[in-house]
Amino acid sequence: EPEVTQTPSHQVTQMGQEVILRCVPISNHLYFYWYRQILGQKVEFLVSFYNNEISEKSEIFDDQFSVERPDGSNFTLKIRSTKLEDSAMYFCASLPGAAGNTIYFGEGSWLTVV
Amino acid sequence: GQQVMQIPQYQHVQEGEDFTTYCNSSTTLSNIQWYKQRPGGHPVFLIQLVKSGEVKKQKRLTFQFGEAKKNSSLHITATQTTDVGTYFCAGRSDYKLSFGAGTTVTVRA
Repeated sequence: EPEVTQTPSHQVTQMGQEVILRCVPISNHLYFYWYRQILGQKVEFLVSFYNNEISEKSEIFDDQFSVERPDGSNFTLKIRSTKLEDSAMYFCASLPGAAGNTIYFGEGSWLTVV
Repeated sequence: GQQVMQIPQYQHVQEGEDFTTYCNSSTTLSNIQWYKQRPGGHPVFLIQLVKSGEVKKQKRLTFQFGEAKKNSSLHITATQTTDVGTYFCAGRSDYKLSFGAGTTVTVRA
């Protein structure tokens, strides 16, 4: 079964450093998402991406965050200058496009900022 | 914006008992999805409900979507230790999925 893949599975970074989290969505999907889950908390929406541009973003997704789909297969989340509170599990997800379809999640990238 | 509320936050259940978790949205949903997350794992898709009043069953799990498509419930019968985890509902409106806070289930044998 097709799946969303994410790398790295775990990254430790120093505060202030830039981090890029990578995702390969399912190939024929049209909508792409990043979600975040701080340890012990709920899954929070960060951003959705469609037709090579951001379609919606949450309050969490400030100027420190950016997304890109550089080559038609990868979908990246960049955090420019990480803060301690950015420590979380980051989930990538993709959706085929129709209203009744399921959103598929990757297994997540665990980011620890020290 | 759309908000999805889920209760209870925690559910401690005696093995063999039943329990229900409830989900309410501030807006009408196009569909609702349920996920289960084991400790240290990622959310795993359980089911999607699309139609008003829809009821679906997966073995001991019964999922219901309200008539107004703004609420949903998950009922688990005869709880087992394998049911441990956090159950999230996620309401879909347009192409965005908003998660509830989850119900964390622990089971005492």
